Amino acid sequence: QQQVKQSPQSLIVQKGGISIINCAYENTAFDYFPWYQQFPGKGPALLIAIRPDVSEKKEGRFTISFNKSAKQFSLHIMDSQPGDSATYFCAADFGYGQNFVFGPGTRLSVLP
Amino acid sequence: DGGITQSPKYLFRKEGQNVTLSCEQNLNHDAMYWYRQDPGQGLRLIYYSQIVNDFQKGDIAEGYSVSREKKESFPLTVTSAQKNPTAFYLCASSTDYEQYFGPGTRLTVT
Repeated sequence: QQQVKQSPQSLIVQKGGISIINCAYENTAFDYFPWYQQFPGKGPALLIAIRPDVSEKKEGRFTISFNKSAKQFSLHIMDSQPGDSATYFCAADFGYGQNFVFGPGTRLSVLP
Repeated sequence: DGGITQSPKYLFRKEGQNVTLSCEQNLNHDAMYWYRQDPGQGLRLIYYSQIVNDFQKGDIAEGYSVSREKKESFPLTVTSAQKNPTAFYLCASSTDYEQYFGPGTRLTVT
């Protein structure tokens, strides 16, 4: 019940296309859903996050869509660029940062 | 300049030796974490600490030890009991909800 499932495992998108990564959870106690971006050899960096009281949050080219009833959330990257090529992790939390659960990650490659 | 520092960036050790990885933060965060990441894999929690002088085992604590004597510091010792220690190690700290990661230490044991 603590798991966060993430798909796809890898994703190849053409420059200018839309990248979509999906996550699903079981524990309804989760109330914070961040996405992290990690470049090779670097630590993950917080990209964008959402709470379940909203269905969508947009920051620049990055949008989180949240479906509380389905217990699913997704990351959309609009106008994908080669510089977006990285591994993306979704996560969920319900206790002041002390109960983080990470998804297994999606390796995104954006072709020029 | 606030953040999390990990040192060294690369570390090489012979099998059978203990090694300590450093993690320091100046974000005034109470909680700190250690994760292990293997190639192409996600993040696995080794240990976490919510307050000074207290820490709890994560999912893969065997062969590792930690201490939390100061709020700013959370060093991780990889002992000789850890059967497969070669990996990328990430330290993080958190506020109420957000986790912030350090740059990582890549440990290679031969």
